[in-house]
Amino acid sequence: AQSVTQLDSHVSVSEGTPVLLRCNYSSSYSPSLFWYVQHPNKGLQLLLKYTSAATLVKGINGFEAEFKKSETSFHLTKPSAHMSDAAEYFCVVSDTGTYKYIFGTGTRLKVLA
Amino acid sequence: NAGVTQTPKFQVLKTGQSMTLQCAQDMNHEYMSWYRQDPGMGLRLIHYSVGAGITDQGEVPNGYNVSRSTTEDFPLRLLSAAPSQTSVYFCASNPTGEEGGYTFGSGTRLTVV
Repeated sequence: AQSVTQLDSHVSVSEGTPVLLRCNYSSSYSPSLFWYVQHPNKGLQLLLKYTSAATLVKGINGFEAEFKKSETSFHLTKPSAHMSDAAEYFCVVSDTGTYKYIFGTGTRLKVLA
Repeated sequence: NAGVTQTPKFQVLKTGQSMTLQCAQDMNHEYMSWYRQDPGMGLRLIHYSVGAGITDQGEVPNGYNVSRSTTEDFPLRLLSAAPSQTSVYFCASNPTGEEGGYTFGSGTRLTVV
């Protein structure tokens, strides 16, 4: 059965510094992996997705993630944080053919001025 | 193009009452899902559908029913509301499977007293 673990429930960074949100996954098959962002009192927006193409995936708003099969990781990064990046981020795994998403418990990103 | 529309946005129920959360999408997506979001637990799958007339249980289906009579609509029914069902509910749709990523509605915040 697939699962996903977000290693940090809260991350604080200063504006202009790099962002690293960590995600490890477990999957029996070739997984599809996603990062979603949720701003306060809003729905979820897709940031980026990995579906067995390039291992380095670029998303919206300057975010990117690298799929590392040997480490079963899919960490989300951004070179320079902006105040508008403050939100909750969810790592999601889906096994090929199941069409069911399994969500991590989320990482709340705080950006300090 | 409205995307995924959920109604109502807010609802307060008394224990034992029943109600239906509405979800409609206008993108002709085959796959639709219902999730609940609780603090510190991420999103958990309640029920999902891979097409009209086809539904299946997710991770936390107890106390909920669904049906999918049309491609566009996927209502979620609470049979007899309990305080444990206080949550934020999200409906999501996906065109052909997990690789495309789900589009989420803006959510329904339900309180059961």
